[in-house]
Amino acid sequence: RKEVEQDPGPFNVPEGATVAFNCTYSNSASQSFFWYRQDCRKEPKLLMSVYSSGNEDGRFTAQLNRASQYISLLIRDSKLSDSATYLCVVKLGDYKLSFGAGTTVTVRA
Amino acid sequence: NAGVTQTPKFQVLKTGQSMTLQCAQDMNHNSMYWYRQDPGMGLRLIYYSASEGTTDKGEVPNGYNVSRLNKREFSLRLESAAPSQTSVYFCASSESLAGGTGELFFGEGSRLTVL
Repeated sequence: RKEVEQDPGPFNVPEGATVAFNCTYSNSASQSFFWYRQDCRKEPKLLMSVYSSGNEDGRFTAQLNRASQYISLLIRDSKLSDSATYLCVVKLGDYKLSFGAGTTVTVRA
Repeated sequence: NAGVTQTPKFQVLKTGQSMTLQCAQDMNHNSMYWYRQDPGMGLRLIYYSASEGTTDKGEVPNGYNVSRLNKREFSLRLESAAPSQTSVYFCASSESLAGGTGELFFGEGSRLTVL
């Protein structure tokens, strides 16, 4: 079983729509959680950390559900520039960051 | 701001050839990493260096060697390239191991094809 699993999508949504997707992780001892964004043929970049109480950063909302071992990302009022692959990242231990394969979001005009 | 710079950006090798991917960061970060990214799979850690003078194996170290040349530079060497090493390679750095805040800074990637 993969340590971090994501629905690869793609999620095709119109501009202005809300899109949400989850990521599940297998190790209950996972300590920290993050969402990275990766544009096509570019490097990953940190989008936001995910806190236990949930957190927002502008149009982006991240949630953590430790009991069910998943995190979620919700994008409100989608923009064309939100088109990207979103990588779920889970930190386990001192050095280990496990990356999901990513969820692709395409926002159409 | 250069951040993390890796070279070359593209390389085609024949099976059995060797090559070195170079990486340098200008953020005074202690930790550096080499990942590979393959379709349908998450980034997988090849080797990492927690601090200058140390290197350790990650998840998929076979067929690779690394050198932490100094605090800025971390190179990845393929001694005898195999088609299974066709991938996109990313170098990354962070202030502390696995990034205290989870933030790794990545280079633009090196696309390697082994024929």
